[in-house]
This record gives sequence, structure tokens and C-alpha cells, in this order.
Amino acid sequence: DAGVIQSPRHEVTEMGQEVTLRCKPISGHDYLFWYRQTMMRGLELLIYFNNNVPIDDSGMPEDRFSAKMPNASFSTLKIQPSEPRDSAVYFCASSWGSAGVSYNEQFFGPGTRLTVL
Amino acid sequence: AQKVTQAQTEISVVEKEDVTLDCVYETRDTTYYLFWYKQPPSGELVFLIRRNSFDEQNEISGRYSWNFQKSTSSFNFTITASQVVDSAVYFCALLGGFKTIFGAGTRLFVKA
Repeated sequence: DAGVIQSPRHEVTEMGQEVTLRCKPISGHDYLFWYRQTMMRGLELLIYFNNNVPIDDSGMPEDRFSAKMPNASFSTLKIQPSEPRDSAVYFCASSWGSAGVSYNEQFFGPGTRLTVL
Repeated sequence: AQKVTQAQTEISVVEKEDVTLDCVYETRDTTYYLFWYKQPPSGELVFLIRRNSFDEQNEISGRYSWNFQKSTSSFNFTITASQVVDSAVYFCALLGGFKTIFGAGTRLFVKA
């Protein structure tokens, strides 16, 4: 079975450009999470969805970040405009659970390494 | 407030040594879940174990074992007879309420 798929694996862009990261969760999972990993701040939860609906976006750093989940098999995280401090590894993870919260383990994708010059 | 503390930033051992990774957590929830994840050099986080707050039984899986003690709010992870392939960053995580909070991670180097 395919795991969580993320694309691109690496992205290098210039400050001010729009960046779109993509994620395909494991089929049958109804929770999808976006994380950001940096040396300074570690792993941070940005937003998570349940049944395609955003449940908690309190971790989204600012209005430049937006996430969507148009269907159960696809999600995007967009940064517009990008800034050098957005450079990080962005992980998508999926899981399953009852309504509102998943108490189960998360399956992570390989991550997208974003570099903003 | 919820918090996970992994005080050991880096640990270096020689192959076949036993090593324990510490995890201390804080939560006011009575129901919560604890996890360990491994992040090898390839970068992808891999789930190792989940424990709920009502199950303090220790667990052993091959060379891996976990010691959960509510009295000290700790969930420590021991690797017995470490191998080079165990070299990775290990994260302890706490889920109480609706969010999973990750510790800062412990980087383990296992030298041949």
C-alpha cells in the first residue's frame, strides 16, 4: 500500500514567490495534518483536517499561509508570498479516528524541503 | 498547558550498548496518549509506539522497550544492544485534547 505522498520533495524559490505543497493521504484515513520542522522550533502542527474540513488552524503562522483539502485524497499548503524564514521541511501526515479528534498514530510523508532565497 | 521535554539533545553510543532516551511530559488531561516516533536520516517520521494514560504496562518489542510511569510523568524508551541502523532522531509526543505536541527530539548516534 502506498504511504502518504508529498510533492515536490524539494522546492527552491525566491522571496515573494508563491509556493504550493501537495499531499495525498493514505486511502481511508480521515485526518490530515500539516507540520513544519525547523532546527529552531522543532516540529510544529500548522493545521489539521477531519473529513476534509479544517478543524484547527491555530498553528498557521500568518495570513501568508493557507491550506485546503478539496477532497479526501488531496490537500495543499500554500505560501504567498514566501519569505526566507519559511525555509523548513514541511510534513504531511494522515491518520484515522472518531469525529473531531484522532487518538491514533500518524503516518508521515517524506516531507518537502523548502528553501526560500 | 501541555509540554514534552526530551532533555537529551544528542547521545552517542558504541554498537551493542544499551541506551535509554528520556521523555517527560506535562498535561492536565486525565486521558492522554503518548507516542514515540523515529526519524532516520532519510527524513520520514516513523511511528514506534502509542500508549494511553490508563495503561502503564511496560512494553517490549524486540530490542525496543518502553517504560511508562505516571507518577513521574515519564515515558522512557530503551534500545537494547544498539545497532548502527538505530541512528536517528527520536521524538516523544503527547496527545491530550486535540493536538499532538512533539518534544524537541533526541539525536542518537550509534558507532560501529
